[in-house]
Amino acid sequence: GAGVSQSPRYKVAKRGQDVALRCDPISGHVSLFWYQQALGQGPEFLTYFQNEAQLDKSGLPSDRFFAERPEGSVSTLKIQRTQQEDSAVYLCASVSGPTQYFGPGTRLTVL
Amino acid sequence: GDSVTQMEGPVTLSEEAFLTINCTYTATGYPSLFWYVQYPGEGLQLLLKATKADDKGSNKGFEATYRKETTSFHLEKGSVQVSDSAVYFCALRGDSSYKLIFGSGTRLLVRP
Repeated sequence: GAGVSQSPRYKVAKRGQDVALRCDPISGHVSLFWYQQALGQGPEFLTYFQNEAQLDKSGLPSDRFFAERPEGSVSTLKIQRTQQEDSAVYLCASVSGPTQYFGPGTRLTVL
Repeated sequence: GDSVTQMEGPVTLSEEAFLTINCTYTATGYPSLFWYVQYPGEGLQLLLKATKADDKGSNKGFEATYRKETTSFHLEKGSVQVSDSAVYFCALRGDSSYKLIFGSGTRLLVRP
């Protein structure tokens, strides 16, 4: 079946713009994660959903970052007033058992 | 807190050489351990995993053994191919947690 999909794959934003990044998890997967991967680094946890409930948002770097999953399927990560330090690849993963399956990521570049 | 340390790259090998990428971890209890691979331009793919001590994960000729006594999960392959060129990430999930903790990645370059 289809894997995790993310859109857009690439996003260029001017500093101060708002962006929205979408994740379509594998159908039927209850749990969903967002990670941030800076250049040359491993992914770092941002937030976690179980169905529509956001159970952990401790990794969100500031209150400019907001994530939602209103119907327990598609999730959106929103970044308000983007800053240059937000430039990274944003990865979404959905979960089956102990395994997280990752999407291709959205590469965000803030100019 | 939990952490993962893996050898810095890049690792450059000739085709058919033996590969080892070291990974050690710090965690309480009995974490699950993973190796993910990221090919150029693609997302992270699960390569192999081990969920308890002494388990050996294997896939596509790669192997890693969960060694609790040395808190290690080193990745090995007996004969690498050019197509194995990628970035490899070691990761753990704590036994009372759900999020993955990643190492910083090791780039492997295999030359013909």
